[in-house]
Amino acid sequence: QQQVKQSPQSLIVQKGGISIINCAYENTAFDYFPWYQQFPGKGPALLIAIRPDVSEKKEGRFTISFNKSAKQFSLHIMDSQPGDSATYFCAASIVTSGGSNYKLTFGKGTLLTVNP
Amino acid sequence: NAGVMQNPRHLVRRRGQEARLRCSPMKGHSHVYWYRQLPEEGLKFMVYLQKENIIDESGMPKERFSAEFPKEGPSILRIQQVVRGDSAAYFCASSPLAGEQPQHFGDGTRLSIL
Repeated sequence: QQQVKQSPQSLIVQKGGISIINCAYENTAFDYFPWYQQFPGKGPALLIAIRPDVSEKKEGRFTISFNKSAKQFSLHIMDSQPGDSATYFCAASIVTSGGSNYKLTFGKGTLLTVNP
Repeated sequence: NAGVMQNPRHLVRRRGQEARLRCSPMKGHSHVYWYRQLPEEGLKFMVYLQKENIIDESGMPKERFSAEFPKEGPSILRIQQVVRGDSAAYFCASSPLAGEQPQHFGDGTRLSIL
């Protein structure tokens, strides 16, 4: 049972373009939605995260859009750069008291390639 | 401030041998989480430990796998009698407080079974 579905599996974008990665979740108890960036041979690094009380969060060129009713959230990378080429993972967990707030449930990842 | 340290970075074992993976959390962090990443897959939760306690091992295979986080020293993920299907990247993460996000990840141990 895959609780977090991520698409696309791979994405090629030209330098300066917008990269968009989508995730959908099933468990309505999830209330913390981070995105992680992973370079080859490295561990995942937190990029940006959102709680469901807001519909959008922006940090620099990275924006998360969150649609609670549709149970979907997405990562937008503006002005994509070759250095952004990496695998991106969405994840979800439950952080409110009483939940399994330590288990991150990950999507399968999106391999982003930004061409110069 | 050193991050989460995992060693070895690469480990090769033959079928039937034992594999020991070590994880030292970030300074000030007393909560450790282990995840496994199979090729072309996302990370999957295995176990959550605090010092000297296993809090949740619901993601651990029932046999051959065990984890510990002693009062002194790193957390250890132990795989006995390894099989080809154990080949994966194993990541450790840590956090300062119980269940607190974000979790900070190490660079993983790539386990290869011959």
